[in-house]
Amino acid sequence: KAGVTQTPRYLIKTRGQQVTLSCSPISGHRSVSWYQQTPGQGLQFLFEYFSETQRNKGNFPGRFSGRQFSNSRSEMNVSTLELGDSALYLCASSLTGEEQETQYFGPGTRLLVL
Amino acid sequence: KQEVTQIPAALSVPEGENLVLNCSFTDSAIYNLQWFRQDPGKGLTSLLLIQSSQREQTSGRLNASLDKSSGRSTLYIAASQPGDSATYLCAATNYNQGGKLIFGQGTELSVKP
Repeated sequence: KAGVTQTPRYLIKTRGQQVTLSCSPISGHRSVSWYQQTPGQGLQFLFEYFSETQRNKGNFPGRFSGRQFSNSRSEMNVSTLELGDSALYLCASSLTGEEQETQYFGPGTRLLVL
Repeated sequence: KQEVTQIPAALSVPEGENLVLNCSFTDSAIYNLQWFRQDPGKGLTSLLLIQSSQREQTSGRLNASLDKSSGRSTLYIAASQPGDSATYLCAATNYNQGGKLIFGQGTELSVKP
């Protein structure tokens, strides 16, 4: 069974631009969560999607948004990029996103904002 | 608000040594506690998940324990190997938060041959 895949793996953008990252969950998984990892703040929860609906949201500004498609693939978008958005963005999938389930992470997309 | 702390931030041990990584959390009303491994520049690999009703879980050379009353979890690695070198992260899940994980800052482990 294929694992969680994320594209692209690396991205370089300049301040003010916008970016879209993609995540394909494990087949059969319907919950997708996104996390931002930086050296200073560590891993922080961005949001979670289940059945095309955002079910939970972290404390990030509105520049960070996401969506989920009917095949459970998810995208996250960051508009008006800032230098501080440089980070490793990880997505995780699970069957239904319930508390007792193990979450499986993708390899991440490393975003550099210049 | 749940906060998760891991001490030490970095640890270096010689090969073959048994070691313990520590994780503490502030809200004892956790649903479960999960340990992950992260290799440099890579994603996270789940190692062990302990439900709040359990005291410990074992997988090979790894044993994780959970003490909700004291707000602590430990990851015990037996007979460490250079291949165990990585950053180890613990993450708590609270009730009614779905799969939202609250992570510690991680312990960077280096096992010297």
